[in-house]
Amino acid sequence: DADVTQTPRNRITKTGKRIMLECSQTKGHDRMYWYRQDPGLGLRLIYYSFDVKDINKGEISDGYSVSRQAQAKFSLSLESAIPNQTALYFCATSDLPGRGYNEQFFGPGTRLTVL
Amino acid sequence: GQNIDQPTEMTATEGAIVQINCTYQTSGFNGLFWYQQHAGEAPTFLSYNVLDGLEEKGRFSSFLSRSKGYSYLLLKELQMKDSASYLCAVIYGGATNKLIFGTGTLLAVQP
Repeated sequence: DADVTQTPRNRITKTGKRIMLECSQTKGHDRMYWYRQDPGLGLRLIYYSFDVKDINKGEISDGYSVSRQAQAKFSLSLESAIPNQTALYFCATSDLPGRGYNEQFFGPGTRLTVL
Repeated sequence: GQNIDQPTEMTATEGAIVQINCTYQTSGFNGLFWYQQHAGEAPTFLSYNVLDGLEEKGRFSSFLSRSKGYSYLLLKELQMKDSASYLCAVIYGGATNKLIFGTGTLLAVQP
């Protein structure tokens, strides 16, 4: 089974709808992240969380919100979706600094299309 | 601001060697990653450098020069399955350990 899972894997929605993307992990990591990926722009950080009570904005948080329901679960919401939020969304996790390489492990991605 | 530069695309021949360069300017530096990403899939970890020098891992090697803000990924004995995007990413920001990604280099391996 995959260590980091995302649901749904694909979603098509309409402008103005509320959408929630979910991420779950079995790696036991405290740190979780949400990125979006657009052609030519690379991966950009939306929000990150270092533990259940810690939520931080990334470089492109406008129009998004998150919820850290448990150590293993981190959800991303689009309160009112707009077409320029069409992108590939990735959840990632990492261990605490000093443990291994501290690399981030990515989920399989959610392809979101806003019409 | 934070910035990472990589070539957009490269082409190489099966069995050959290719070097993908990355230059960065960040406020603080806590390490540099290389990730591989096949089209439509998740990035997967390839290598990590925090000290100057070369790290070798099978067919893949990664080099870092902190004074020059420069890294490269070296892929030897290229295989068709190495066709993918290669992402350079830098950890910066002190204790927050935030990660900034380059836009990636799309490598096409030809027969």
